[in-house]
Amino acid sequence: QQPVQSPQAVILREGEDAVINCSSSKALYSVHWYRQKHGEAPVFLMILLKGGEQKGHEKISASFNEKKQQSSLYLTASQLSYSGTYFCGTEELTGGGNKLTFGTGTQLKVEL
Amino acid sequence: NAGVMQNPRHLVRRRGQEARLRCSPMKGHSHVYWYRQLPEEGLKFMVYLQKENIIDESGMPKERFSAEFPKEGPSILRIQQVVRGDSAAYFCASSPRGPPNEKLFFGSGTQLSVL
Repeated sequence: QQPVQSPQAVILREGEDAVINCSSSKALYSVHWYRQKHGEAPVFLMILLKGGEQKGHEKISASFNEKKQQSSLYLTASQLSYSGTYFCGTEELTGGGNKLTFGTGTQLKVEL
Repeated sequence: NAGVMQNPRHLVRRRGQEARLRCSPMKGHSHVYWYRQLPEEGLKFMVYLQKENIIDESGMPKERFSAEFPKEGPSILRIQQVVRGDSAAYFCASSPRGPPNEKLFFGSGTQLSVL
C-alpha cells in the first residue's frame, strides 16, 4: 500500500528549514528516502531500519517512528542543490511482497 | 564501476508496435527492479527479478507486459501492442542483494512516447 507524503510541495528560501513526512498504514521493515531531480534518476539518501532511529546525510536527517509507521525527513539550512522531488519508500513487514513502495513525492524548490 | 545502464534513453513507438527497454545492472548486482513513472507522479513498482527468475510481478499489467533477466545479458522489459497510456518514464534499479533493507541504484530511465 502506497505511503502518504506531506506536504505535496514546498518552496523555501536558501537557508530555511523544511520537514517532509511519510506515513504508512502498514507495519514496516524500513523506510528509504530518495531525491530525484527533474529528468534524472532517483538517488538514494538514506535508509532507516529501527524504531526511533535517526540518520543524517550532510544537513539532511531523518527519523523513523516504528510504532506509528511514520518517518520524517529534515532539511536544515537548505541549499539550492536540495531542490528536487523527495520520495519515501517503504518495505512492509507482511503482505507487501518483495518490493519498495514509493509515496507520491514532495516537490521541494529552494530559491535565493 | 559503471552505474545502472538503461537504453534507449528515449523511445518513440506508434500504437500497436512493440517496445523493448533494456537494463544492465551495476556490476555484481543480481537483483533488478522495474518502476514506471507518469508525469508529476511517483514511482510505481512493476516487477522484481533475480537472474533467470521473476520474484514478484504484482505490479505488472496482466496483458501485453513481460519482463526477463536472462543468465547472460541485460534485463528486458517488453511491452507489446503499445497504447498511448503506456507513455511514461520507465526506471530500472538494481541491488547486490534482495530485500528487505537494500538500497536501490537507479538508472537514468527510458522515456517511452506512444504516438
